[in-house]
Amino acid sequence: ILNVEQSPQSLHVQEGDSTNFTCSFPSSNFYALHWYRWETAKSPEALFVMTLNGDEKKKGRISATLNTKEGYSYLYIKGSQPEDSATYLCAFKEAGDKIIFGKGTRLHILP
Amino acid sequence: DTAVSQTPKYLVTQMGNDKSIKCEQNLGHDTMYWYKQDSKKFLKIMFSYNNKELIINETVPNRFSPKSPDKAHLNLHINSLELGDSAVYFCASEDPRMNTEAFFGQGTRLTVV
Repeated sequence: ILNVEQSPQSLHVQEGDSTNFTCSFPSSNFYALHWYRWETAKSPEALFVMTLNGDEKKKGRISATLNTKEGYSYLYIKGSQPEDSATYLCAFKEAGDKIIFGKGTRLHILP
Repeated sequence: DTAVSQTPKYLVTQMGNDKSIKCEQNLGHDTMYWYKQDSKKFLKIMFSYNNKELIINETVPNRFSPKSPDKAHLNLHINSLELGDSAVYFCASEDPRMNTEAFFGQGTRLTVV
């Protein structure tokens, strides 16, 4: 059974502070690692699709890194804003196979 | 144009009824999924269809059955609804041959009373 773990489960961050959280996944048979942003009452939206060991991707204040050999990815948010409050999901994908989602990290930005 | 659309958005029904949730994608993707958001807000995979063939069936009660009339549609049928079936159900699609993200529908909030 493939296990995708995210930590922490929940996180409270003061507005303006930077933060990061982790996704751990199996290091064998890696194909891709996805990050999604999921706001309450909406559907998950993709942030990044990462495929190569050492990948670093950035979108505005949000960035992500990937280590496929040790099986982890970090998501970083710089200078948190209220609109960053959401659940951040990572998803692991084996070649030609299903996507397995982690349980998510719920980020709350405090004013 | 909405890439992945689900209908209805809200569904309230009585215990014991049979209901369907429809999902359509216009992205030309080969694989479609159904997910259930459980009471703890976690996303759990229920089914995956690839070219009209069921390739995943997680430990889901057999009251739930996916139906795919064609590659663009994956409907979810639920028989003999129970209170515990109340949840938000999400449909998604992806092309497993391409290294791109999955696209989600807006979700269907099912309430069984």
